[in-house]
Amino acid sequence: QKEVEQNSGPLSVPEGAIASLNCTYSDRGSQSFFWYRQYSGKSPELIMFIYSNGDKEDGRFTAQLNKASQYVSLLIRDSQPSDSATYLCAVKEENNFNKFYFGSGTKLNVKP
Amino acid sequence: DTEVTQTPKHLVMGMTNKKSLKCEQHMGHRAMYWYKQKAKKPPELMFVYSYEKLSINESVPSRFSPECPNSSLLNLHLHALQPEDSALYLCASSQDQGYTEAFFGQGTRLTVV
Repeated sequence: QKEVEQNSGPLSVPEGAIASLNCTYSDRGSQSFFWYRQYSGKSPELIMFIYSNGDKEDGRFTAQLNKASQYVSLLIRDSQPSDSATYLCAVKEENNFNKFYFGSGTKLNVKP
Repeated sequence: DTEVTQTPKHLVMGMTNKKSLKCEQHMGHRAMYWYKQKAKKPPELMFVYSYEKLSINESVPSRFSPECPNSSLLNLHLHALQPEDSALYLCASSQDQGYTEAFFGQGTRLTVV
């Protein structure tokens, strides 16, 4: 059983700070990694995806991937109260392109 | 356009009812998914269709019956559900091949009474 692990939180950060969310995965062959944001009662919304080792930046968001250590992280700079949500890490199964595994999510609270 | 549309948004049904959830996308995606999500839990994969053929069934009870009439539509037929089946049902779609992301619909909030 492939596993995706996240700290459930809540992670509390003050407004304007950097929020750091982490995810580890068990399948060393995984190639595709995704971060989704989910507000309470709403559906997951794609924030970023990353395939290559290193950093990928999009606005206030930076995804970091380290395949050797099997972890992927999401940094949110200048955190805003509107960033308060649950962040889901998803990994796409290597031998079955159509199967996404989700971590249990990290709840982020950004305090004004 | 990255829109996946689900109907209805809310559904209340009795344990003897038959109902269907519908999902539509016009992004040309050839993989479509049904997920079930309980409160404070991650989405749990139920079914995957690839090129209109069922490719993954995650041992879902037969009271849930998926159908993919064409490349843009995905249905989930419900019959004789139990109260514990109450959840948010999410449809998603993606390109079938390679490093591609999945886009989710807004979900159907299902309550079984």
